[in-house]
Formats: sequence, C-alpha cells, structure tokens
Amino acid sequence: EAGVAQSPRYKIIEKRQSVAFWCNPISGHATLYWYQQILGQGPKLLIQFQNNGVVDDSQLPKDRFSAERLKGVDSTLKIQPAKLEDSAVYLCASSFVGPGPFFGPGTRLTVL
Amino acid sequence: GQQLNQSPQSMFIQEGEDVSMNCTSSSIFNTWLWYKQEPGEGPVLLIALYKAGELTSNGRLTAQFGITRKDSFLNISASIPSDVGIYFCAGEETSGSRLTFGEGTQLTVNP
Repeated sequence: EAGVAQSPRYKIIEKRQSVAFWCNPISGHATLYWYQQILGQGPKLLIQFQNNGVVDDSQLPKDRFSAERLKGVDSTLKIQPAKLEDSAVYLCASSFVGPGPFFGPGTRLTVL
Repeated sequence: GQQLNQSPQSMFIQEGEDVSMNCTSSSIFNTWLWYKQEPGEGPVLLIALYKAGELTSNGRLTAQFGITRKDSFLNISASIPSDVGIYFCAGEETSGSRLTFGEGTQLTVNP
C-alpha cells in the first residue's frame, strides 16, 4: 500500500512570495490533515478535512494560509504572502478508521 | 491550547540499554499515540493506546496508557543504533478531536 505522497520535498522562497504544497493521501483515507512542524517542536495541526469538508481549521492563519480538497482526495496548502516565521516542515497526514494518522515525508519550507 | 509535557528532552545511551520516556497532560485524554521521526521523514506511528491501564507492545517497544488518563510512557528494551530518532507522544481528548503532540524526546544510541 502506497503511503502519503507530498511534493515538493524542499522549497526556498523569499518573504512575501507565495508557495503551494500538494498532498495525495493513502487510498481510501477519508480524513486528511495538514500539520506545521517548526524545528525542535512537535507537529501542530493547521487544518483537518473529512472528505472534502473542513472539520477543524481553528489553528490555520487564515489571513495568509489556505487549503482545499476539492474532490475529497488530493489537497493543496497555500501560503500567500509568506513570512520568515513560516519556515517549517509542512506535513500531510491521512487516516481512516483505526489508529493513525499516517504521515507523509513533509515539505521543508525555508523563507528568506 | 492543550499542551503535553514530554520528558526527557534528550537521552544519550549505550547500545543494549533500556530506555524509558513519558508524557503528561493537565487534561484527560481518550487516546495516546507514540510516533518516531527520523531526519527528513514524517513521524511513523509506533503504538496506539485507547483504554486507561492498557499496556501494548510492538517488538522491543512497550507503551502504557496511564490509569489517570493524563499520562503515558514508552519503553524501549535492548536499544540498537537504528532506534535513533525523535519520539513523540500525541494525545486526543475525545474521539476525532484534534491530536496534540508533545515536544519530543531525542534519542541517541552509541554503538
């Protein structure tokens, strides 16, 4: 069974630029999550989808971050405009019934 | 928001030694999960716990869900070099609610 796929793996941008990350969850997993992991910390939930509906986006900085999961499968996370403090690893994860979530390899974002 | 206190922050041990780390919360949790993260990778689920007092093993790893439902611990027996990584606890207050992660325990195993 293929795991959670993410791209790109690395991205370097300058502040005030825009960036987008893509995630393909494990096949059949209805729940998809985006986490932000700052160096030296545990992952922090940004947004959780159930199919294509948002379940929890209370920790998403909505003035600059947006996410969508239009067909209930793939998802994109966008930052516009980026700030220095957005430098982090962005992890996508998915789950179905049972233990989880299961994480992808992450996208390491560096904002200069 | 909810915070988990994970300790120790780091451990340096010799190959073959046993390891113990724990996680505490000020709130009651319904589920405890333990993950391992290696450099450049996402966290990998090791053990999931769903009931107070539950003790679950996965190879050389054993985790327990505390009786008070406010803590959990992870033991690794007879450590080997490939156990190196950051171990995270994560808790869920109610089924389907947001998963909160601890700050991690960095484990180094010297051959």
